[in-house]
Amino acid sequence: SQKIEQNSEALNIQEGKTATLTCNYTNYSPAYLQWYRQDPGRGPVFLLLIRENEKEKRKERLKVTFDTTLKQSLFHITASQPADSATYLCALGHSSNTGKLIFGQGTTLQVKP
Amino acid sequence: DAGVIQSPRHEVTEMGQEVTLRCKPISGHDYLFWYRQTMMRGLELLIYFNNNVPIDDSGMPEDRFSAKMPNASFSTLKIQPSEPRDSAVYFCASSLGQGGGQETQYFGPGTRLLVL
Repeated sequence: SQKIEQNSEALNIQEGKTATLTCNYTNYSPAYLQWYRQDPGRGPVFLLLIRENEKEKRKERLKVTFDTTLKQSLFHITASQPADSATYLCALGHSSNTGKLIFGQGTTLQVKP
Repeated sequence: DAGVIQSPRHEVTEMGQEVTLRCKPISGHDYLFWYRQTMMRGLELLIYFNNNVPIDDSGMPEDRFSAKMPNASFSTLKIQPSEPRDSAVYFCASSLGQGGGQETQYFGPGTRLLVL
């Protein structure tokens, strides 16, 4: 069955450092992958989308990589700030144009000042 | 734009009662999704609509759950009868469509449901 794995343990880093979050998947061939941010008590908010034919995407301090051979995406936040503390979800989209996403469990990031 | 609107924000009910959750998607969005989020299972897709038509309801846990979308600006998720294990946060999301970045989903604030 399809499976998406994100680090279940919280990631604690110091302000200014680079945070790296991992998303691994099995038994799936996504056409694209998205990363969302979720703050406590709120709905997820879209951050970045990367397609299967793209290796890397950047947006300000965010960078996403996508390796379809390793079946893995890495999400980087450079120069992290306490305001970056949140739960980050990866989501896989299929190529059949269904609009359907499958979400990982999310990784909680805590950036300490 | 007001974003995706959900009501109620919080609902506390007793086991056996009917619960109706409501969602207004972003105007012009063709897709509407209902999700359930719990600590144990994460964010799960229950059902989604395209142009008001249900496309995939394979995530609906059982017959006690039903969803409708009578028009492009309104959808409901109904649980009848409700059970304590239905306690969760229910999110509605909408998106424009497919391709060209339209796959981005915009989530509502969620309805926190507690069934006693």
